[in-house]
Amino acid sequence: GNSVTQMEGPVTLSEEAFLTINCTYTATGYPSLFWYVQYPGEGLQLLLKATKADDKGSNKGFEATYRKETTSFHLEKGSVQVSDSAVYFCALSPYNTDKLIFGTGTRLQVFP
Amino acid sequence: ETGVTQSPTHLIKTRGQQVTLRCSSQSGHNTVSWYQQALGQGPQFIFQYYREEENGRGNFPPRFSGLQFPNYSSELNVNALELDDSALYLCASSSGQGVENEKLFFGSGTQLSVL
Repeated sequence: GNSVTQMEGPVTLSEEAFLTINCTYTATGYPSLFWYVQYPGEGLQLLLKATKADDKGSNKGFEATYRKETTSFHLEKGSVQVSDSAVYFCALSPYNTDKLIFGTGTRLQVFP
Repeated sequence: ETGVTQSPTHLIKTRGQQVTLRCSSQSGHNTVSWYQQALGQGPQFIFQYYREEENGRGNFPPRFSGLQFPNYSSELNVNALELDDSALYLCASSSGQGVENEKLFFGSGTQLSVL
């Protein structure tokens, strides 16, 4: 079946630190991969996506590369800000569908 | 602000009761999906409606049902509530049945507590 596994949080960092949140997936076929962010009291927002192997998604300084050989889609940012504090969800969408399968989420806390 | 609105924002029910949650889609969107997000978990797909017809369902029992109206707004109904139904219920709208998830917009959710 299809599933997503991401590192447990919380991840606690100082401002300007480097961020990595690990995500691995299990899927049949060729899924699309996503990172969503959930700020307190708000709905999910798409952060970035990649639809095929070796694609790199990027947005707001965040990046993730679709690695088929390691079935991974790790989220990185070179210098986090306090405003990046949120819960981050890795997700996949099986080929040719728009239904999302989410990981359990990783809370990021950034302190000044 | 995504344009997807859900009501109510919070709701408290007792076990065995029935509940209806509502979602107003973003203008121009004809597809609505519902997700359940339990505390500390990722959202889980309940079902999707496209042009008033159910278009896929996740691993949820029949007491979870839905409707989509001609104006593409939607309802999620849950009968015979159980304690484990306590969760944040998210609605997401999109246009068409396509795979363009960048055009999938989520509402802020309804927090349901079952006592």
